[in-house]
Amino acid sequence: QSALTQPASVSGSPGQSITISCTGTSSDVGGYNYVSWYQQHPGKAPKLMIYDVSNRPSGVSNRFSGSKSGNTASLTISGLQAEDEADYYCSSYTSSSTLEVFGGGTKLTVL
Amino acid sequence: QITLKESGPTLVKPTQTLTLTCTFSGFSLSTSGVGVGWIRQPPGKALEWLALIYWNDDKRYSPSLKSRLTITKDTSKNQVVLTMTNMDPVDTATYYCAHFESSILWDWGQGTLVTVSS
Repeated sequence: QSALTQPASVSGSPGQSITISCTGTSSDVGGYNYVSWYQQHPGKAPKLMIYDVSNRPSGVSNRFSGSKSGNTASLTISGLQAEDEADYYCSSYTSSSTLEVFGGGTKLTVL
Repeated sequence: QITLKESGPTLVKPTQTLTLTCTFSGFSLSTSGVGVGWIRQPPGKALEWLALIYWNDDKRYSPSLKSRLTITKDTSKNQVVLTMTNMDPVDTATYYCAHFESSILWDWGQGTLVTVSS
């Protein structure tokens, strides 16, 4: 069982927007602005998409955005494209462990 | 450009010890704040943190696997080594190493699939 809770799957049509949630506690997501999001295509390594809740690394499309409210962080993808179909994982610093914690992952299907 | 690559056996027998090497370039593990982490992913399952080593040799381990893991670094060779003892079929997974800084896994290796089977 993962420390952070994500929906198992979400879906959307091309051009639409979707949001993936990542729920933790005040010891991780709610207590620190150290939430990251990673995209993983099948058979590939994860790729950093969002860090520190809402920052995008260089080269990541501005269709990807992040936010946080209380103990829940969110990843929003606007203008869905077929290439966005992948698994998405959130991660957070936590004060209750010596290592960061991941969410269980969310499979995004572009219909 | 930062690159990382994992190397090691693709097949190990139950009870054996697994040794994986992460060879990286484009950053230095002697720079303050920098770390290299190991993460694994069983087939069809989620990512799981295993261990992390910092530039100052501070080491962190997954609480559930701590007794089986050892992480070391060779700064001169730009390598980080992870050993996991007493391997079991449930340890079958793709093992990744990653460049870590400020609670962020900035860059990942391609991963290496390790199968545990007799």
